[in-house]
Formats: sequence, C-alpha cells, structure tokens
Amino acid sequence: QQQVKQSPQSLIVQKGGIPIINCAYENTAFDYFPWYQQFPGKGPALLIAIRPDVSEKKEGRFTISFNKSAKQFSLHIMDSQPGDSATYFCAASADTGKLIFGQGTTLQVKP
Amino acid sequence: NAGVTQTPKFRILKIGQSMTLQCTQDMNHNYMYWYRQDPGMGLKLIYYSVGAGITDKGEVPNGYNVSRSTTEDFPLRLELAAPSQTSVYFCANSRQGALYGYTFGSGTRLTVV
Repeated sequence: QQQVKQSPQSLIVQKGGIPIINCAYENTAFDYFPWYQQFPGKGPALLIAIRPDVSEKKEGRFTISFNKSAKQFSLHIMDSQPGDSATYFCAASADTGKLIFGQGTTLQVKP
Repeated sequence: NAGVTQTPKFRILKIGQSMTLQCTQDMNHNYMYWYRQDPGMGLKLIYYSVGAGITDKGEVPNGYNVSRSTTEDFPLRLELAAPSQTSVYFCANSRQGALYGYTFGSGTRLTVV
C-alpha cells in the first residue's frame, strides 16, 4: 500500500513531442505528489508538485494532471526539448514527511 | 553555497568490509534522509532523521546504521558489506518534511565485490 507505481520505464520522443509519464498509488493518506528530475551523475531535483485538492498544475512546459478518484497522476512535458532528457521520478508523501518514490522513467528527446 | 555534500563519490569495497558514507549540509535543515537508487527500482529510503539525536528506519534499513549527533552531519555506516549493497546512495535534506522539497547530494556510487 506504500508503493507508487510508475510507467513507462523508458520513453523516446522527438523534439516538440509531448511525453507523458504515469503514476498510480494505493494509500489514500498520501496528500502530496511531487515530481523530481535527475540528470546523469546528479541527484534528483524537485520539478513540480501538486496537492490532491486540485486536478491540474502547470509550471512552464511541465504539467501535472491529478485524478483523485482513480488514484493516478501524470506528468506532461509540452514542446519537449533535448535538454529535457533525464530520469523522472514521481513520488508521494503522507504527513510524515517521507517521500515514497516511483521506479523512475528515463526520457530521451531526440533532436 | 554547497548545499548537501556527499563523500566519497565512488568506492569499491570487498565483501565483509566496512565503510562510512559521509553526508554534510550547510543549509541548517532539520530533516535528513538516506536513499539508495537501483536501476528500475527507483529510490528506496534507508534511514531518516528529523533532528539531531533522532533517527528512524525507512523501507530498507537492514545492513545499515546511522547517527545524527549534529544538525550538519548524517553519516551512513555499512558494517559488513554484501554484494546486494552495490548501489548509488543519495543523501538529502529538507527544511521540514517533503512539502518543502528535498535537496539531494550528488551521490556515492558503491560497488561491493
């Protein structure tokens, strides 16, 4: 019940495409859903996050869609660029402050 | 401004050896975490601390120990290294829990042979 399941494991898109990464959870106590971005050789960095009281959040080219009834959320990257090539992790947290991470998605954006 | 600093960056251990992964922060944040990252498995929480003198187990604590004697330092100890501990280890901190975002170090790549 503490798991966050992420798919796909890897994704290749052309520049300008809209990659979509999906995550699902079971624990209804989760109340905070961030996405982290990781470049090779670096630690993950917070990209964007959402609380369950909203269904969508946009920051620049990155959008989180949240479906509370389905217990799913997804990351969309608009007008993707080669510089967006990275590993993306979804995560979830209840009020304990500990993040439970998904398995990660390696995104490659081809020029 | 260094943020979260991990040392060493790389290390090869023999089975049964011990080592300490160092993590230090200059952000004065109370919360600190240790995660391990394995391919296709995401990040798994090993131990965490909500302040000096307070530590608690995460999802995968077996084979590891931690201490938190100061706000700045949160070392991770491997007592008897096993091949299953081959991984990339990340230390992170946050001001007060996940809502404020985690700042990660750049990681330690450990190989146990």
